[in-house]
Amino acid sequence: QKEVEQDPGPLSVPEGAIVSLNCTYSNSAFQYFMWYRQYSRKGPELLMYTYSSGNKEDGRFTAQVDKSSKYISLFIRDSQPSDSATYLCAPYNTDKLIFGTGTRLQVFP
Amino acid sequence: SQTIHQWPATLVQPVGSPLSLECTVEGTSNPNLYWYRQAAGRGLQLLFYSVGIGQISSEVPQNLSASRPQDRQFILSSKKLLLSDSGFYLCAWSHARGGGEKLFFGSGTQLSVL
Repeated sequence: QKEVEQDPGPLSVPEGAIVSLNCTYSNSAFQYFMWYRQYSRKGPELLMYTYSSGNKEDGRFTAQVDKSSKYISLFIRDSQPSDSATYLCAPYNTDKLIFGTGTRLQVFP
Repeated sequence: SQTIHQWPATLVQPVGSPLSLECTVEGTSNPNLYWYRQAAGRGLQLLFYSVGIGQISSEVPQNLSASRPQDRQFILSSKKLLLSDSGFYLCAWSHARGGGEKLFFGSGTQLSVL
């Protein structure tokens, strides 16, 4: 079983849609849950993160963690074409950061 | 502010040739440094990380090696490239004390071995 599972997509949505990106993980020791965004042919950049369970909101983005089901979500409201990128979830604990394979999102006008 | 430089952006090399990719960080001291490889559909694979000059930890046995000759310089090398070494190589840094989950990536090198 992979430590982190993420649907590779691509996920194609119209501008303005609500997007839900998800990951599952297997190691209950993970404490931080990171989301990185990667534009084509660029390095990933940290988008946002949560610590332990719960929600965290940053503008149009909401990160959610359910540790009981080992489920990580990223919601994007009012999606824009500029949100078109690959989104990688990355749980972390004590120097161990495990990246998912990433979900490619395409937002069309 | 901190910046990370990685070059070249693209590289095409024949099988059996040597490789040297360089990464430098500015604006911070004693960073943790990382080399990742990203292959299509396989996500980011950690190759090497370093917590200080001359200190290299290898995560995956392979045809590659890394060196850290200076505090903010990280080099990825190979003596003889294989076809399987093709991929997108990323250098990253993080703060030394904690913060290992917050990585700052370079712009990457697309390596094609033919």
